[in-house]
Amino acid sequence: DIQMTQSPSSLSASVGDRVTITCRASQGIRNDLGWYQQKPGKAPKRLIYAASSLQSGVPSRFSGSGSGTEFTLTISRLQPEDFATYYCLQYNSYPLTFGGGTRVETK
Amino acid sequence: EVQLVESGGGLVQPGGSLRLSCAASGFTFSDHYMHWVRQAPGMGLEWVGHIRDKAKSYTTEYAASVKGRFTISRDDSLKSLYLQMNSLKTEDTAVYYCGRSAADWGQGTLVTVSS
Repeated sequence: DIQMTQSPSSLSASVGDRVTITCRASQGIRNDLGWYQQKPGKAPKRLIYAASSLQSGVPSRFSGSGSGTEFTLTISRLQPEDFATYYCLQYNSYPLTFGGGTRVETK
Repeated sequence: EVQLVESGGGLVQPGGSLRLSCAASGFTFSDHYMHWVRQAPGMGLEWVGHIRDKAKSYTTEYAASVKGRFTISRDDSLKSLYLQMNSLKTEDTAVYYCGRSAADWGQGTLVTVSS
C-alpha cells in the first residue's frame, strides 16, 4: 500500500497568512493526488485534483503543486472560512489512501 | 447540482449486518465510478472501496480492512449506490460517505457497532 505522510498534523495561523501543507508518498504516484477540505460535521470538499488543477468554484488562493512523491497545498492568504482540516488523497494505486490530515487553527 | 444522500445507518451489534444506500441526482450516475469512504469519530478519512461503471463491468476494489465483509453494488436505473456490510466490528463505527469519482460527497450516515 502507498503511505501518505502529511505534515504538519496541525498549525496555527492568522487571517492573511500564507499556509503550506505537505504530503509525501511512500512511492511515486505521478500527479494522481487530490486535496480536500473538511469542516466539523461536514463532508469533505475537493479543492485540487491531479495535484495542481483547481476544482471549479474553489477560490484561487488555493493552489497545489508537486509530482512523484512530494506534494504541496498552499493557501496564499488565509481567510476566516479556511480554518478547517485538510487531507490529501492518492489515487494512483489501490487501495486509495488519505494522508493523516492537517488541522488549521486560529492563532 | 450534484446531490448524494446516504441512508441506512444506525446502531447494530457486533457480528451484525447493515445495508447503506446512496441516492444520486444532478449528474449522469451511470458514467461515474462511485466510492465509499468512512470517518471514525475524531479520526481521519479512510477509503472503503469503489465500484466502476458498466464499461468496466461494475468491478470493485476494497480496502483490506473491509474486504470479504463489505460489498459495494449499484443500480444505474435507480441512480443508487449500496454498501452491504456484514460481520460488523466495533472498529467499523464511523460516518460513511458516498462519493462521485472522489470529487463530490454526500453528508454521510452514521453507523455505530456496539453491544
